[in-house]
Amino acid sequence: ILNVEQSPQSLHVQEGDSTNFTCSFPSSNFYALHWYRWETAKSPEALFVMTLNGDEKKKGRISATLNTKEGYSYLYIKGSQPEDSATYLCAFDDYKLSFGAGTTVTVRA
Amino acid sequence: DAGVIQSPRHEVTEMGQEVTLRCKPISGHDYLFWYRQTMMRGLELLIYFNNNVPIDDSGMPEDRFSAKMPNASFSTLKIQPSEPRDSAVYFCASSSELAGAGNEQFFGPGTRLTVL
Repeated sequence: ILNVEQSPQSLHVQEGDSTNFTCSFPSSNFYALHWYRWETAKSPEALFVMTLNGDEKKKGRISATLNTKEGYSYLYIKGSQPEDSATYLCAFDDYKLSFGAGTTVTVRA
Repeated sequence: DAGVIQSPRHEVTEMGQEVTLRCKPISGHDYLFWYRQTMMRGLELLIYFNNNVPIDDSGMPEDRFSAKMPNASFSTLKIQPSEPRDSAVYFCASSSELAGAGNEQFFGPGTRLTVL
């Protein structure tokens, strides 16, 4: 079982504030790192798939960075909105996905 | 595209009963995955298929669990006999390529199983 850790487990953000959280993973046998957004009662939805060290991806107000040598990725939300409230999962990809426990973000209006 | 389809969405059953969960992957996707989501263990891979053939079932918890994929558009996950500790949300996902080198998986809505 691969050790994929996400921190913090949960966080509360005021609307308009920016926030970020971490995914740490093994630095060996790396193929890709996935970020998923999971809203309550819905399916996990892919946000980013990152493969290269130093990779930076962006989708609207959400962006992610990747450091494969030290085994971590950050997800950033700029100017948080209530619709950003969800659980954000990262998954280490060594041809199978091993998911972290997620960071649950609650944006307060 | 209808996405990955799972049925039923909710299942409540009594301990000892057989439970069958169903999944229809996205058309053209060669890979199908079954996951289980629990509070204790998070989202964990149970088994995956490639071109209808089971490739890795190392995540299947025990012999009470079995999965089949009789054709490219249908898969089942069966639990017999079911136990209360099997209560979880079971997700099916599919992809066009094996995860790796940037291939995302598309998840179904999940089946929430409660075993009394």
